[in-house]
Amino acid sequence: SQKIEQNSEALNIQEGKTATLTCNYTNYSPAYLQWYRQDPGRGPVFLLLIRENEKEKRKERLKVTFDTTLKQSLFHITASQPADSATYLCALTMDSSYKLIFGSGTRLLVRP
Amino acid sequence: DTGVSQNPRHKITKRGQNVTFRCDPISEHNRLYWYRQTLGQGPEFLTYFQNEAQLEKSRLLSDRFSAERPKGSFSTLEIQRTEQGDSAMYLCASSEDSYEQYFGPGTRLTVT
Repeated sequence: SQKIEQNSEALNIQEGKTATLTCNYTNYSPAYLQWYRQDPGRGPVFLLLIRENEKEKRKERLKVTFDTTLKQSLFHITASQPADSATYLCALTMDSSYKLIFGSGTRLLVRP
Repeated sequence: DTGVSQNPRHKITKRGQNVTFRCDPISEHNRLYWYRQTLGQGPEFLTYFQNEAQLEKSRLLSDRFSAERPKGSFSTLEIQRTEQGDSAMYLCASSEDSYEQYFGPGTRLTVT
């Protein structure tokens, strides 16, 4: 069956450390993989998009890697801050459609 | 504010009633999407429009759900004969000629 797995347990880290979140997928061949941030009671906010032929993408303190052989993406936040505390969702897009297929998200808590 | 807007933000209804939600996308965006999200899960795709054409609809969407985008601008999502299992956050998103999507704040539906 098709699955997108993100760590359901919250990630709890100290301010200033690097947060690393994982997204694994099974039986999908996505053309694009995206990461979104969601705060409680709000809609997701787009962060980064990476294409299947790209291995890494960076934006300020954020970095995403995409390994289509391992069927995995890693999302890193360097020099984390309490304001980074939120739920982070990964989402796949297939070549044939614009819809997003989301994982269930990982909650990040950055302690001051 | 030029982001995606949704109305109402909250709706409480009794089982068996019909409800309608509205989404106003970012003005130059030609694609509009509806998702549903329950607690602890990522958003689940319902349907999407390119301009006024409904191009894709989830197979999970029962025939009690209907969506329209009559002039290619705002969209409405109607749920007929609501059931308790319809209680969720209904999210609308829009995009231009790109894969990243911009979400509204959502409409929280509670069916009693």
